[in-house]
Amino acid sequence: AQSVSQHNHHVILSEAASLELGCNYSYGGTVNLFWYVQYPGQHLQLLLKYFSGDPLVKGIKGFEAEFIKSKFSFNLRKPSVQWSDTAEYFCAVNANQAGTALIFGKGTTLSVSS
Amino acid sequence: KAGVTQTPRYLIKTRGQQVTLSCSPISGHRSVSWYQQTPGQGLQFLFEYFSETQRNKGNFPGRFSGRQFSNSRSEMNVSTLELGDSALYLCASSFNRGENSPLHFGNGTRLTVT
Repeated sequence: AQSVSQHNHHVILSEAASLELGCNYSYGGTVNLFWYVQYPGQHLQLLLKYFSGDPLVKGIKGFEAEFIKSKFSFNLRKPSVQWSDTAEYFCAVNANQAGTALIFGKGTTLSVSS
Repeated sequence: KAGVTQTPRYLIKTRGQQVTLSCSPISGHRSVSWYQQTPGQGLQFLFEYFSETQRNKGNFPGRFSGRQFSNSRSEMNVSTLELGDSALYLCASSFNRGENSPLHFGNGTRLTVT
């Protein structure tokens, strides 16, 4: 069965620090990959997605993620975090032709102190 | 454009009862998916509806069911409630089922079973 692992449950950073959140998935076929973010009190929002092509994808608010097929990884990065990036981040995978069924990781809570 | 609307926001039920949750997708969106979010299991896919037909189903017992109406609005029903059904139930809509149709999530319905 497909699964998604997010390595860090809770990450605490100071403003301007660099961020990297790990995500690994288990599925041998073609996948679509996503990062979603949930800010406090808000609904889940799409941060970025990878379907094909350039494995380095850029999303909103300065976030980017790199798909490394050989490592089954899709890590999220941001060079310099802001206090407003405090949120919960979810990595998700969708197997090819599985419609809108996403397999989510357990999430990583990011706390940024000013 | 109004987002995904879920009603009610909160529900308290007792074991053995049944419950119906409602979801109104973004106008023009034809696909509706449901997810269960719990602290222990995280976000888990329940089912997906498109054009009033269930297209995909997650690994949940038959007590969990849903339907979609001709206007794309969707309901999910849980019968014979168990304590473990206490969760945040999220609805997500997308324009269609393709890879270029990201999911837009609602704020969820918080169900508490006592």
